[in-house]
Amino acid sequence: DTGVSQDPRHKITKRGQNVTFRCDPISEHNRLYWYRQTLGQGPEFLTYFQNEAQLEKSRLLSDRFSAERPKGSFSTLEIQRTEQGDSAMYLCASSPIGGTEAFFGQGTRLTVV
Amino acid sequence: AQSVTQLDSHVSVSEGTPVLLRCNYSSSYSPSLFWYVQHPNKGLQLLLKYTSAATLVKGINGFEAEFKKSETSFHLTKPSAHMSDAAEYFCVVSAWYNTDKLIFGTGTRLQVFP
Repeated sequence: DTGVSQDPRHKITKRGQNVTFRCDPISEHNRLYWYRQTLGQGPEFLTYFQNEAQLEKSRLLSDRFSAERPKGSFSTLEIQRTEQGDSAMYLCASSPIGGTEAFFGQGTRLTVV
Repeated sequence: AQSVTQLDSHVSVSEGTPVLLRCNYSSSYSPSLFWYVQHPNKGLQLLLKYTSAATLVKGINGFEAEFKKSETSFHLTKPSAHMSDAAEYFCVVSAWYNTDKLIFGTGTRLQVFP
């Protein structure tokens, strides 16, 4: 399978715990995006990388959120001290530079109890 | 700033009848517009995209959309609905400075009845 892969698919955590999600983009895609989708809403942009550089972060990305893309390959999104409002689907997408289509993974569904 | 407004949160049709999902956009620049579909427990899939070429865009599974600058609209249509078309549909505009950064509408849930 050469699509965008996200792990885990589902995560249930207690409030206050830290969680980390992983995204493996399509090979050789330079750009990688994180989005968050809450129930009944469209995905909202969180942040994006071009290779290993994080070029843009949304105001939605509070200090508790951090994303990395070491070596420009896979990316991780960490949420510290989770809150119930963090419950959402976290989507990853990748695209080549100059491409006009972003390819999405199936997402990680986070439930904070 | 770019934005899209999906005019219907839910649309219900009978199988075999036409589908119309409405979308208006707002953009100070010539926009790139997309329609994505999301089936339950599946990733978002691109249906079609408009990038300033032909105003009538054909996509996968018989869907098409027409870019109308005068009406700032990009409605999605299909002549005959199939049960497998039942899903959430998102109208999307890209940021003016980065065509890969997507700004989603709130979605339209399409139900197809037999």
